[in-house]
Amino acid sequence: DSGVTQTPKHLITATGQRVTLRCSPRSGDLSVYWYQQSLDQGLQFLIQYYNGEERAKGNILERFSAQQFPDLHSELNLSSLELGDSALYFCASSTGPNTEAFFGQGTRLTVV
Amino acid sequence: ELKVEQNPLFLSMQEGKNYTIYCNYSTTSDRLYWYRQDPGKSLESLFVLLSNGAVKQEGRLMASLDTKARLSTLHITAAVHDLSATYFCAVDPPHNTDKLIFGTGTRLQVFP
Repeated sequence: DSGVTQTPKHLITATGQRVTLRCSPRSGDLSVYWYQQSLDQGLQFLIQYYNGEERAKGNILERFSAQQFPDLHSELNLSSLELGDSALYFCASSTGPNTEAFFGQGTRLTVV
Repeated sequence: ELKVEQNPLFLSMQEGKNYTIYCNYSTTSDRLYWYRQDPGKSLESLFVLLSNGAVKQEGRLMASLDTKARLSTLHITAAVHDLSATYFCAVDPPHNTDKLIFGTGTRLQVFP
């Protein structure tokens, strides 16, 4: 167990809907990262927050947004969902910049 | 843009044999990570390599980093079935952007 908690573990929703994925980092970690893993795209970096502030952005769609709250948990919001958004979404956390990241169990999103 | 390539993509090997997985990356970086992923599961951190010439070993796995060649290797010694998984390398891009860029992954299958 990495200490990073993601909820829910599984999510099935219809196209056009909006969902929120939640991540609680390891105790003491200030950085939170979001990744998307799909068969055709591999592991894609989406976005990173450090102590509540956005620090790095990757290939994140405009329909997706994220935030990190004062208690350091993070949420990834996915809206206007499409079939192609079906993937495994991972959250990872680390103590800070350029330190080892530990991954949660992931949320498997299925859009039907 | 940093690109990370692994080869081979698929590796089927017999128990007891040795093999090496290669990870090449396109721009300067002093940090490289190796992760293991079992099907449908999270990513487990295996090694963190922080400097040129770094070598780390854990059980039957040994990782090394050559920053001048922009190459890391993951060597498997006397493979056993429990090592069957997908192995990813990940690199921190330069300029302190603090995001991990993952390779394509190497799916390893060890058979009797």
